[in-house]
Amino acid sequence: DGGITQSPKYLFRKEGQNVTLSCEQNLNHDAMYWYRQDPGQGLRLIYYSQIVNDFQKGDIAEGYSVSREKKESFPLTVTSAQKNPTAFYLCASRLQGATTQETQYFGPGTRLLVL
Amino acid sequence: AQTVTQSQPEMSVQEAETVTLSCTYDTSESDYYLFWYKQPPSRQMILVIRQEAYKQQNATENRFSVNFQKAAKSFSLKISDSQLGDAAMYFCAVGYQGNLIFGKGTKLSVKP
Repeated sequence: DGGITQSPKYLFRKEGQNVTLSCEQNLNHDAMYWYRQDPGQGLRLIYYSQIVNDFQKGDIAEGYSVSREKKESFPLTVTSAQKNPTAFYLCASRLQGATTQETQYFGPGTRLLVL
Repeated sequence: AQTVTQSQPEMSVQEAETVTLSCTYDTSESDYYLFWYKQPPSRQMILVIRQEAYKQQNATENRFSVNFQKAAKSFSLKISDSQLGDAAMYFCAVGYQGNLIFGKGTKLSVKP
């Protein structure tokens, strides 16, 4: 089946620890995105990538890092510099150059908790 | 900067009835897209309906339809014949050049 997968479903981070959230898609989509969702808030953009080996900061990039070495994969690292990482993280992807070029499709999400 | 406002934090509807969720937005762009996403308790974001701003005709997907008023920058979602499975958070979003700006959501409850 085609789709977007995120792992793990739940992730626990200790103080001072870096953790990496995985996002993989087999939809052959060009662009990929990371969002953060806090209670009572909409989705806020962390990073996005429109092409392999290139990515841009979103509205809340501080304390996060990404890479885009393969078209299918866009991992997000939550560094120790992110002081309040507890949130729900959603990955999305989008096909460029089509009639649905603006539509983003989402993975199931990862819940990150700080111990 | 683009902003999206959903003025109803919570709404409730009786099963089989109709409900309308409100969304207003602000953008200086002329070419953009509008979306409604549904987030059930599983927290998976699901696309409900999509509208191109250059189209005057309102989009419809089965029981879901929109009322798009471009001059007023309004994009409301109407759910007809509400079902228990419609209970979820609903997010309005504006898309431009590949990025989406989301509202804070409306929590919809469906009463049996």
